[in-house]
Amino acid sequence: SQKIEQNSEALNIQEGKTATLTCNYTNYSPAYLQWYRQDPGRGPVFLLLIRENEKEKRKERLKVTFDTTLKQSLFHITASQPADSATYLCALSTGNQFYFGTGTSLTVIP
Amino acid sequence: SQTIHQWPATLVQPVGSPLSLECTVEGTSNPNLYWYRQAAGRGLQLLFYSVGIGQISSEVPQNLSASRPQDRQFILSSKKLLLSDSGFYLCAWETGSNTEAFFGQGTRLTVV
Repeated sequence: SQKIEQNSEALNIQEGKTATLTCNYTNYSPAYLQWYRQDPGRGPVFLLLIRENEKEKRKERLKVTFDTTLKQSLFHITASQPADSATYLCALSTGNQFYFGTGTSLTVIP
Repeated sequence: SQTIHQWPATLVQPVGSPLSLECTVEGTSNPNLYWYRQAAGRGLQLLFYSVGIGQISSEVPQNLSASRPQDRQFILSSKKLLLSDSGFYLCAWETGSNTEAFFGQGTRLTVV
């Protein structure tokens, strides 16, 4: 099965800066790669999807890149706000299975 | 619109007791259904998934089992809980397109 690695250390950034989170995976490239947001005590919420034949996807202040050669996805939040503080999970889906990374905790400092 | 219900929200159970967590989905038909477990500070571990009634695939051998008695109902069970079964259990569904999973609010299980 896939092994998915995300920054294990928490990320603290100043409000207004760009947060960049990394997701690396092993084995085969998935059909889809997704990013989710998880707040404490809640289930993850879908943010963005990128397909294996896409390099970049944007949605408002969010940007995702996907490099199948490096087996890596980067997730950017521009003009970060304290409300962006949460844990962000990377997920790979193929077949009928969704595999999630361990998540990176982001804190945006006012 | 589609909604997913998962209950209970919290549960404290003694070691050796049985477990039954239920998840139901509304507003869609023939969803793929999933059970995940999340240990403190850890990622989501896929436990079971189902593509149809009575069809269950297990990802990790363990003390748990799953059943899908109806199209939009997914149940996670155990005959005898272990301390290591403690965690945050999440049910999820998706349409089968693999593009987006929708999660329930989760059940915090503490085995004492």
